[in-house]
Amino acid sequence: GQQVMQIPQYQHVQEGEDFTTYCNSSTTLSNIQWYKQRPGGHPVFLIQLVKSGEVKKQKRLTFQFGEAKKNSSLHITATQTTDVGTYFCAGHRDSGYALNFGKGTSLLVTP
Amino acid sequence: NAGVTQTPKFQVLKTGQSMTLQCAQDMNHEYMSWYRQDPGMGLRLIHYSVGAGITDQGEVPNGYNVSRSTTEDFPLRLLSAAPSQTSVYFCASSPLAGTSGRSNEQFFGPGTRLTVL
Repeated sequence: GQQVMQIPQYQHVQEGEDFTTYCNSSTTLSNIQWYKQRPGGHPVFLIQLVKSGEVKKQKRLTFQFGEAKKNSSLHITATQTTDVGTYFCAGHRDSGYALNFGKGTSLLVTP
Repeated sequence: NAGVTQTPKFQVLKTGQSMTLQCAQDMNHEYMSWYRQDPGMGLRLIHYSVGAGITDQGEVPNGYNVSRSTTEDFPLRLLSAAPSQTSVYFCASSPLAGTSGRSNEQFFGPGTRLTVL
C-alpha cells in the first residue's frame, strides 16, 4: 500500500483560521514534495524539501521536513477562500525513483 | 511549450474493451509516470519510467501496460477494461531527482476521465 500517510483527510475552517496538514512515512525519504489540487483540476507543485529539519515559507504557507526525514507538515496562516483545494504530500524513498503520494487533505474555507 | 498533454479528456468504455491513454511532454524530462485518482484514495502510482526503454511498476500496475519508446511519449494501455478501472488518470513528468541540481517537481497533465461500464 501507500507508504505515505496524510492526516486529516478533511478540514473545514472559517476564513482567517489557521490550517495544518501532516504527512508521515514508514521509511526515510530522500525528499518531500507538496502539491495543491483545485477542484476539477490537476495537482500543481508547491515546494520540495530535501534537508533534515528544513523549513521553508511561501507567503502564508510554512513547510517543514522532520529531523528524521520521515514526516512533514504544511501550515497555512489566516486561510483565505483561495486556499480551497486538496493538499498532497509526496515522497521519494532513499532507494528509488518512484514518487508516492499521500491520500491528501481536502480543505474547505468558508467566508 | 505545451508542457504535459493527455488525450482523450473523457472516455467511456465497455467492459472488456481495450484502449490507450496518450501522454506527451515537450520538456525533455527523463521521468514520466501515470497515476490514477479515486475519491478518498489520493493519487496512486501505476507505472513509471526513468528514460526511453525503461519502465517499472508502481503501486497499482495490474491491468495496465506501458512502454517508453521515446523521451516524449508514455502511453498507458488498458488491455481489457474493467469497471474497477473507472477513474481519473494523470500523467506527470519531471527531471530525474538530483539531475544537474534541478528540482524534480512533477508537471501534471490535465487528466483523462475514464468510465468503464
